[in-house]
This record gives sequence, structure tokens and C-alpha cells, in this order.
Amino acid sequence: KAGVTQTPRYLIKTRGQQVTLSCSPISGHRSVSWYQQTPGQGLQFLFEYFSETQRNKGNFPGRFSGRQFSNSRSEMNVSTLELGDSALYLCASSLTQAKNIQYFGAGTRLSVL
Amino acid sequence: GQNIDQPTEMTATEGAIVQINCTYQTSGFNGLFWYQQHAGEAPTFLSYNVLDGLEEKGRFSSFLSRSKGYSYLLLKELQMKDSASYLCAVRDMGNYQLIWGAGTKLIIKP
Repeated sequence: KAGVTQTPRYLIKTRGQQVTLSCSPISGHRSVSWYQQTPGQGLQFLFEYFSETQRNKGNFPGRFSGRQFSNSRSEMNVSTLELGDSALYLCASSLTQAKNIQYFGAGTRLSVL
Repeated sequence: GQNIDQPTEMTATEGAIVQINCTYQTSGFNGLFWYQQHAGEAPTFLSYNVLDGLEEKGRFSSFLSRSKGYSYLLLKELQMKDSASYLCAVRDMGNYQLIWGAGTKLIIKP
């Protein structure tokens, strides 16, 4: 059974640009959560999608947005990139929202120059 | 507020035992998770505690005391491959959101 797949693995962007990250969950998993990870910080929760609906949202500005498709694949978009957005972005999938053993992808490392 | 504390870094010797502590203060509690993350890789699930007590899984054990807001991860017979960051996370009661500690970097020396 394939794991969580995130693309691309690495991205380099400049300030002001926008970026779209993709996440394909484990087959059968309907919940997808997104996190930002920076050195010295815990995983910071961005948002969670379940059945194409955003169920929870973290404390990030509106420049961060996401969506989920009918096949449970999810995308995350960051507009007007800032230097501080440089981080590892992790996606995790789980069977349902409540049964929350989350399985993570390898992440997308975003560098903003 | 919600807060999860773990030591930043620990060092241990191959073959020894190490205990990684996690203390938490959250508005609600619906379970505590431990994950392992090797450098440059995805976090992988290790254990889940929702009731007080010790859960054992091979060389790894996890303990929870809800009244004290405290958990630990115990690693026995340490191997070099156990060098990684260990992340503690608490599931919120209301929205099932996971709240994460900053992680403990474990360095194993021969």
C-alpha cells in the first residue's frame, strides 16, 4: 500500500511569488492535515480537510489556503511569499477525522529567497 | 493556553536506556502520541496513550499520567538507528486537532 506522497520535494521561490504544494493521501484515507515545520518549532497546524471540507484551521494568515478534491488529494497554496515562509511543509493523512493516527508524507521543503 | 514541553536534545550510549519526557497543558485531552522523525524524513507513528499507564511495544514503551499532564517515551537497548527527533503530540478534545511539542533530538554515541 503506497504511503502519503507529497510533490514537489523541494522548491525555491522568491518573495512575492505564490506556490502550490500537492499531497496524495494513503488510499482510503479521507482526512488530510497540513503542517509547517521550522527548526526549533514544533509542527504548526495549518488546516485539516475531510470529505472536501475544511474542518479545522490553524493561526496562519489568509495567504495560506488549501483545498481537497473528491479523490481526497489535497493542495496547499501560499500567495505573496515572505522569507519567513521558508520551512518544511508536511502533509498527513488519516482514515477519519476522529481516528487520528496520522501518517505523514516526506514533506516539501520550501525556500523563499 | 496550550503548551507542550520536551527537552531539546538528549545524548545516550548505544545499548543503554533513555527516557524522553513530555509535559503538557491543554484545554482538553483526547490522547497523546509519540512520533519518530529521522533527519530529512517524514515523522513516523510510534505510540498512542489515552489511558493512564504503560504501553509496551518491543524496545519502545510509552507512559501516561493524565492527572500530572505527563508522558514519557522509554527506549531500551539503544541502537545507532535510534538517533532521531522524537515528537510528542496531544489531541485536543473538542476538534481532534493535534498539538505538537518542538521535539527532542536524541543523539546515540557508540
